[in-house]
Amino acid sequence: DAKTTQPTSMDCAEGRAANLPCNHSTISGNEYVYWYRQIHSQGPQYIIHGLKNNETNEMASLIITEDRKSSTLILPHATLRDTAVYYCIVLVSGTYKYIFGTGTRLKVLA
Amino acid sequence: DAGVTQSPTHLIKTRGQQVTLRCSPKSGHDTVSWYQQALGQGPQFIFQYYEEEERQRGNFPDRFSGHQFPNYSSELNVNALLLGDSALYLCASSFGPRTGAYFTSYNEQFFGPGTRLTVL
Repeated sequence: DAKTTQPTSMDCAEGRAANLPCNHSTISGNEYVYWYRQIHSQGPQYIIHGLKNNETNEMASLIITEDRKSSTLILPHATLRDTAVYYCIVLVSGTYKYIFGTGTRLKVLA
Repeated sequence: DAGVTQSPTHLIKTRGQQVTLRCSPKSGHDTVSWYQQALGQGPQFIFQYYEEEERQRGNFPDRFSGHQFPNYSSELNVNALLLGDSALYLCASSFGPRTGAYFTSYNEQFFGPGTRLTVL
């Protein structure tokens, strides 16, 4: 199964951009990268997904490297409510299951 | 529009007992996935149901079984509970494919709040 590697924790000042990296060096050509976040043991919340091109929505931007071996989730103006565990997930080709890692615990500091 | 709902919110059982957890998918969704999340870990895929059948299964023993009803709601059953089964159980719903082909592009899953199971 494709695996992802993320830093265990990160801090970010309120109002600044939060850049969360993810390594997925074994990703296959047709496998998408998804990002979810989980706030205080609630259910995970979808943020964004992408295949090859950079993506942006109202919540975040996703930058995927040209070789697709890594990606970065960018929260442009972090707020205290963005404090959560962020999961980078590869949807394994030919399956229906998300493979979650242990995620990055982001703490936004006032 | 109600999102994914799960019941009960919390549950306490003893070793050896059996438990049933319930999930109602988001309106319009026909696919339900179940995940187990131990404390401090990411969710682990248990199985997924589509058209009332188990479509895919993760690395969980047969003690874990499920069911999907014609209205797309789903149940997760766990028999012979072990202490290690204590976890947050998450249900996620999504749209399923119509052709039967694997659908690996846009497949956003909407998660419920979870059921906290404690086994004593």
